[in-house]
Amino acid sequence: GAGVSQSPSNKVTEKGKDVELRCDPISGHTALYWYRQSLGQGLEFLIYFQGNSAPDKSGLPSDRFSAERTGGSVSTLTIQRTQQEDSAVYLCASSLEREAPLHFGNGTRLTVT
Amino acid sequence: QKEVEQNSGPLSVPEGAIASLNCTYSDRGSQSFFWYRQYSGKSPELIMSIYSNGDKEDGRFTAQLNKASQYVSLLIRDSQPSDSATYLCAVNMYDTGTASKLTFGTGTRLQVTL
Repeated sequence: GAGVSQSPSNKVTEKGKDVELRCDPISGHTALYWYRQSLGQGLEFLIYFQGNSAPDKSGLPSDRFSAERTGGSVSTLTIQRTQQEDSAVYLCASSLEREAPLHFGNGTRLTVT
Repeated sequence: QKEVEQNSGPLSVPEGAIASLNCTYSDRGSQSFFWYRQYSGKSPELIMSIYSNGDKEDGRFTAQLNKASQYVSLLIRDSQPSDSATYLCAVNMYDTGTASKLTFGTGTRLQVTL
C-alpha cells in the first residue's frame, strides 16, 4: 500500500518568506509526528498529533513554527518568516497507534537562502 | 529531560563479524523500543521493535532488552558492507500530563569493512 507522502520533496525559499510543508500519512494511522534533521545531526522532535489534537508541541523551536492536522489525516507544518537556521530535512512519520512503530516519509529538504 | 543515549561511533567491524550497537534510556516507564536504520540522505527505516525483556531475533538481527538496566541493544550477525549506515535507537517516553512520544537517540554510525 501507499506509504507516508510528503510534499514538496525540495523547497528553496528566501529568508523571511513563509513555507508550508505537507504530510499525507498512511491511511488509518492515528499518530503523526514531525521531526527535523539538520545535516549530520540526529532527529529533532517537533510535534506529535494523536488524531487531530496535538498533545505535545514542546519541540517547536519558536512561535514561527505551527502545525495542524485536519480530518485525522493530512498535516501541514508552517514556518513563518524563515531564517537560514531553519534549513534542514523535515521528516513526517505516522503509526497505527501510539506505541506502534513509526513509518517515515521521504522528507522535505528545506533550504533558506 | 527524557533522554536516549547512543555512542555516535563510527563503529567499524570487518565483513562477516558481529556488530553490537547499544542504547540506554532514562524513562523507567518506557514500554516500546525500536531500532531504525538510516542510510545517508535517506529516511529512517524500521529494523526491529521489541516490547518485552529478553531477545528478539529476525534474520541476522537480534534486539535485546533489559528494562531493569534501561538498556536495549542490536546485534547484527554476519555483517555486510550494505549494513553500513547510521542506526537509531528510539524509545517511547512518558512525560507527566502528556501522551508518550517516540524519542530518538543521535544514532551510531556503523562501518563494515571488506
